[in-house]
Amino acid sequence: QVQLKESGPGLVQPSQTLSLTCTVAGFSLTSYNVHWVRQPPGKGLEWMGVIWNTGGTRYNSALKSRLSISKDTSKSQVFLKMNSLQTEDTATYYCARDSTYSSFDYWGQGVMVTVSS
Amino acid sequence: DIQMTQSPSSLSVSLGDNVTFTCEASENIYGFLAWYQQKLGKAPKLLIYGATNLEDGVPTRFSGSGSWTNYSLTISSLEPEDIATYYCQNNHVYPYTFGAGTKLELK
Repeated sequence: QVQLKESGPGLVQPSQTLSLTCTVAGFSLTSYNVHWVRQPPGKGLEWMGVIWNTGGTRYNSALKSRLSISKDTSKSQVFLKMNSLQTEDTATYYCARDSTYSSFDYWGQGVMVTVSS
Repeated sequence: DIQMTQSPSSLSVSLGDNVTFTCEASENIYGFLAWYQQKLGKAPKLLIYGATNLEDGVPTRFSGSGSWTNYSLTISSLEPEDIATYYCQNNHVYPYTFGAGTKLELK
């Protein structure tokens, strides 16, 4: 059964670094790409970046200077790190699997991150 | 970046209605278009991929159409569980941009 689950701190102080983990089950990270998407409260979805099955990455240019995505294939985990957090980074963060036509067929439940002092 | 423009932003509907809403890409995305349904507090759910292909398990009252830059999602005979926000997404070129969403509300 395919599953993705995000984990990480619910509260981060401004200017600090956010670290999130997406733990997957039911598929291999060597076969599928995994994306990160975020959604500020009451707003729409923003694609953040992807780590390909090969280990390569691509980021949203608006976040590129602050964002890093990596993975540990043996642990079935994908990691997101974003530095210099500001209040506008408050959002629910999702990881999602890339499938046919590059659509996102499975999503995690999301993790809410609040940036506040 | 490819801009995805959804319209309308909200739609007041009645159960049993046939509903269509649209998504326009700022350039040709060659049918690499997905539709997602999102209910309050939940993750998005894939409905349609490749503009016209129904995801497994999605009711057949959902259908997608379109090509080049213009796409649409139709819900035939709206059910109560269809009240949600719907997003389109460009899956052709990075960044995989989303539209701003169409929110369905009951009259």
